[in-house]
Amino acid sequence: GAVVSQHPSWVICKSGTSVKIECRSLDFQATTMFWYRQFPKQSLMLMATSNEGSKATYEQGVEKDKFLINHASLTLSTLTVTSAHPEDSSFYICSARTGEYQPQHFGDGTRLSIL
Amino acid sequence: AQSVTQPDIHITVSEGASLELRCNYSYGATPYLFWYVQSPGQGLQLLLKYFSGDTLVQGIKGFEAEFKRSQSSFNLRKPSVHWSDAAEYFCAVGAGASKIIFGSGTRLSIRP
Repeated sequence: GAVVSQHPSWVICKSGTSVKIECRSLDFQATTMFWYRQFPKQSLMLMATSNEGSKATYEQGVEKDKFLINHASLTLSTLTVTSAHPEDSSFYICSARTGEYQPQHFGDGTRLSIL
Repeated sequence: AQSVTQPDIHITVSEGASLELRCNYSYGATPYLFWYVQSPGQGLQLLLKYFSGDTLVQGIKGFEAEFKRSQSSFNLRKPSVHWSDAAEYFCAVGAGASKIIFGSGTRLSIRP
């Protein structure tokens, strides 16, 4: 149980394009989903917290117009990197949980490479 | 503010040997704590969690962790490691009802 699917697993695109990453909870309803960014050999950096039906809460220093988050249902959240540039290249990971104080369950991540 | 410290960046142990990964936390209230494991290029898998009750927590893959309030620690242990345990291990503390804070991680290598 508690499976989170993240798609795509790997994407390469040209600078200036927008990229959408999907995060789905397959066997549970996720009241909250989280989006992280991870640089090589580093820990996870929380970008934003997404609650179904409401606006995402962004961490300090994360551009909300750059990283658009939509949590339209209890099983789906999307992260769109708008007008991506090489410095946006990274490993993006989502997680989901069923409620407060519950563990987060993680997707397998998306490797984003901007040329 | 809450924080998590994993003092060991990289640990190498021989296959079959015992393992202990250290984790210290700073949090004003009663914490809830997690250990996650990450294989290269993948997401994180939950090994175990502590919310309350018994301070010795059993997890998957033969791991266990002990919560010691007096030492603000939540160390991860395994009596005998396998080559497949080589990975990055993250300790995390729950910051209230919302987000969790991750430590910087400990990379575990297994010596044949």
